[in-house]
Amino acid sequence: DAGITQSPRHKVTETGTPVTLRCHQTENHRYMYWYRQDPGHGLRLIHYSYGVKDTDKGEVSDGYSVSRSKTEDFLLTLESATSSQTSVYFCAISEWPGGEQYFGPGTRLTVT
Amino acid sequence: KQEVTQIPAALSVPEGENLVLNCSFTDSAIYNLQWFRQDPGKGLTSLLLIQSSQREQTSGRLNASLDKSSGRSTLYIAASQPGDSATYLCAVAPFQGGSEKLVFGKGMKLTVNP
Repeated sequence: DAGITQSPRHKVTETGTPVTLRCHQTENHRYMYWYRQDPGHGLRLIHYSYGVKDTDKGEVSDGYSVSRSKTEDFLLTLESATSSQTSVYFCAISEWPGGEQYFGPGTRLTVT
Repeated sequence: KQEVTQIPAALSVPEGENLVLNCSFTDSAIYNLQWFRQDPGKGLTSLLLIQSSQREQTSGRLNASLDKSSGRSTLYIAASQPGDSATYLCAVAPFQGGSEKLVFGKGMKLTVNP
């Protein structure tokens, strides 16, 4: 299995609070991704990174920001969580664009 | 806009059957197509990746084919086992606009009964 960890694995938070999810990889892959998975919508790309401090938006980026200060870490921040952001969040990595993507175990986030 | 469809959404079969899982996509300009497996409460596991120039890929009991012109891919599972029970997802990487931006189907939940 690719060395990808996500923390926390579960989180319950209240509407309006900031939340940061962390993805850590030990594979030294250049590309890192954040997805959310929701019933009826499948997996959707939030943001991705193509290098340290290089990020771009995905399909559903509104309300989310990301940062990557080191190759191994990619952070996803919800500045002010809303109930619509209740979801399962997955991090993924790949060596190059269009390369095989490897997924982390996911973080289940509940916003009450 | 690329759309990926997997029909049916769920399938229940007895053990031992040979299975064909379908994936269709609307835009044939793809870089590659990837098949994943997801177990309940887990992340996705990559099964096979087919480049746009390839027609098929094989890994053990799994064989994936790609027909870009018709916008279809199939995942063939030989001699299904209860351990194959999972949700199977396909995803396409677009040829233009960023091949890193995978577009996923909603998945097909497979149950293999002993």
